[in-house]
Amino acid sequence: AQSVTQLGSHVSVSEGALVLLRCNYSSSVPPYLFWYVQYPNQGLQLLLKYTSAATLVKGINGFEAEFKKSETSFHLTKPSAHMSDAAEYFCAVSKLDTGRRALTFGSGTRLQVQP
Amino acid sequence: NAGVTQTPKFQVLKTGQSMTLQCAQDMNHNSMYWYRQDPGMGLRLIYYSASEGTTDKGEVPNGYNVSRLNKREFSLRLESAAPSQTSVYFCASRGQAMAAGSDTQYFGPGTRLTVL
Repeated sequence: AQSVTQLGSHVSVSEGALVLLRCNYSSSVPPYLFWYVQYPNQGLQLLLKYTSAATLVKGINGFEAEFKKSETSFHLTKPSAHMSDAAEYFCAVSKLDTGRRALTFGSGTRLQVQP
Repeated sequence: NAGVTQTPKFQVLKTGQSMTLQCAQDMNHNSMYWYRQDPGMGLRLIYYSASEGTTDKGEVPNGYNVSRLNKREFSLRLESAAPSQTSVYFCASRGQAMAAGSDTQYFGPGTRLTVL
C-alpha cells in the first residue's frame, strides 16, 4: 500500500520568506509524485509533478520540489512567498504498476502568508 | 475547452433523499475518478472508470453508485443520503496511457454536499 504524510497541517510564513512544505511518501514501487494547490472554494490545480525524469522539478508560480529516494521525500519550496500563495497544498502519489493510477493524497497543508 | 465541469456546485439534502452528481470532461480522456474531500483527510477515491461502461470501486465506495454511459460523462449517485456523506466531491479525468500528460489528473471545481 502507498501512503503520503504531510508534516504540519498549518504553516505560516512572512511575505518574502522561504516556503517549505514537507511531504514524505511510502510506496512499494517507483511512484509518480504530485503537488496540487487548492484555493478557497475551488478545485485542485496541478503545481508540479515528478515522473522519473529529473529529480528537481520546477512548477508554476515559482514553486519547485526535489525527489529524494533515499529519504522518501518530495518537499515543496519557493524562495519568496507572495500573499497570493495562501492556499491549501496537497502532496499525492500514484502507483505506476496499475492502470488505475488513482492518487493517494496527504491530508494537506494550509499555507498562510503574513504581510 | 472547459476541462472538467461538475454540477451542481452546492446541494443540501435531507437524510434518505437521493441525488446524482454530474461530471463531464471535454479532453477526450479515458479515465475518470470520483473523490471526496473531508477536513484533515485529503481526498479519498470513491470510484474509478477506465473507459465507457467500466467502473471499479475505490477506497470508500459504500453508499454510492456510479455510471459511465459515454466517454465524456461520469455520474455519482447517492441512493439514500446519510449525514456521513456530507463532504466536497471532486471529479477528475486523466488521458490515455502513453499520451502526453497521461500521468496527470485534472480536477473539476467540486460539489459541496450537506446532508441534514
